[in-house]
Amino acid sequence: AAGVIQSPRHLIKEKRETATLKCYPIPRHDTVYWYQQGPGQDPQFLISFYEKMQSDKGSIPDRFSAQQFSDYHSELNMSSLELGDSALYFCASSPRTGKDTQYFGPGTRLTVL
Amino acid sequence: GNSVTQMEGPVTLSEEAFLTINCTYTATGYPSLFWYVQYPGEGLQLLLKATKADDKGSNKGFEATYRKETTSFHLEKGSVQVSDSAVYFCALSPLAAGNNRKLIWGLGTSLAVNP
Repeated sequence: AAGVIQSPRHLIKEKRETATLKCYPIPRHDTVYWYQQGPGQDPQFLISFYEKMQSDKGSIPDRFSAQQFSDYHSELNMSSLELGDSALYFCASSPRTGKDTQYFGPGTRLTVL
Repeated sequence: GNSVTQMEGPVTLSEEAFLTINCTYTATGYPSLFWYVQYPGEGLQLLLKATKADDKGSNKGFEATYRKETTSFHLEKGSVQVSDSAVYFCALSPLAAGNNRKLIWGLGTSLAVNP
């Protein structure tokens, strides 16, 4: 079965640089969620999109922005990177029916040096 | 507000031991409840879920029953294997109109199974 695809899987950036993370949801899933997971921590909700519109916002810094495109893939743009942004970034998608269940991608490990 | 409380780890067991990881929640109405598993260096995998009271989710020998009266969703497995070593997260999806279904997470419980 198709799963959520995230790219890149690993990313190394310098402080103050920018990064773009991509997420391709499971086919026919219309909602995308982004989470950030620090070392040894639970995932923290950043933002979600439904049908290309932002549906909810969590603890996403102003330096970050995201959008969902017409093909339902989503991108998380991160600017002025800080050391504290080093984390695993997960994307999850949920289907049109059974919307309470989220299926996660493998994550992008971002390291800011 | 909505919250999830999990038993703290790490939990260390011998192979074939019985596993219980406690999870309790606070929420209005009937949220959906989940267990996710994260193997070392990997992403979050949905292990099992339950969407209403007295539902039992099960997968790969793991079980959890949605107990409304005790607001609990404890994870159990009768005989753990070394390959079950991972971090286990309890989570809930609040009852909500529309499409705002962000998951509320417990802090995770690390399980180590020794041969």
